[in-house]
Amino acid sequence: NAGVMQNPRHLVRRRGQEARLRCSPMKGHSHVYWYRQLPEEGLKFMVYLQKENIIDESGMPKERFSAEFPKEGPSILRIQQVVRGDSAAYFCASSPGTGSYNEQFFGPGTRLTVL
Amino acid sequence: QKEVEQDPGPLSVPEGAIVSLNCTYSNSAFQYFMWYRQYSRKGPELLMYTYSSGNKEDGRFTAQVDKSSKYISLFIRDSQPSDSATYLCAMNPRAAGNKLTFGGGTRVLVKP
Repeated sequence: NAGVMQNPRHLVRRRGQEARLRCSPMKGHSHVYWYRQLPEEGLKFMVYLQKENIIDESGMPKERFSAEFPKEGPSILRIQQVVRGDSAAYFCASSPGTGSYNEQFFGPGTRLTVL
Repeated sequence: QKEVEQDPGPLSVPEGAIVSLNCTYSNSAFQYFMWYRQYSRKGPELLMYTYSSGNKEDGRFTAQVDKSSKYISLFIRDSQPSDSATYLCAMNPRAAGNKLTFGGGTRVLVKP
């Protein structure tokens, strides 16, 4: 059973370009979470999605960032007009969404570097 | 003040020693407490989770939660060089479908 998959693993963008980060949850998981980890810091929650729905986007910056989890295909975190401060590791996690406790399984992350 | 505080370390111990890690938090609504291990340039891996107060043991790992003091701990017995990693505490107010709030992580180095 494949784990959470993220691609690309490394992404380099110049200031002003767009970054698209993809996340395929574990098989059978319908809940996806995105977190950002700045150098030497812990993970910060960004957004929580279920298929075709954004459940909680309280951690998303108000501008330039968007996320989706379509009925078919991976979840996408999109960053428009990237700036140097967007350089970070972006982790996706998935959970089954049922039961009394939902462990979040993390992917390997996408490391975004903005030049 | 951060919601979850964790000493960044590094914490260096000799092989075989007990590693003691802890976090403090300010939000009394947190009920689920987790410890993740993160190797360099990898994703976090869940080690332990605990609901409310009490102790939980799994092999060489023991997690403790003291909600009255808003303090959680992780102990690693008989530490091995392979335990060298960053340990992150995380918590949330309810089990399913909610965001995790993480501490900043403690870097641990177990020397052979």
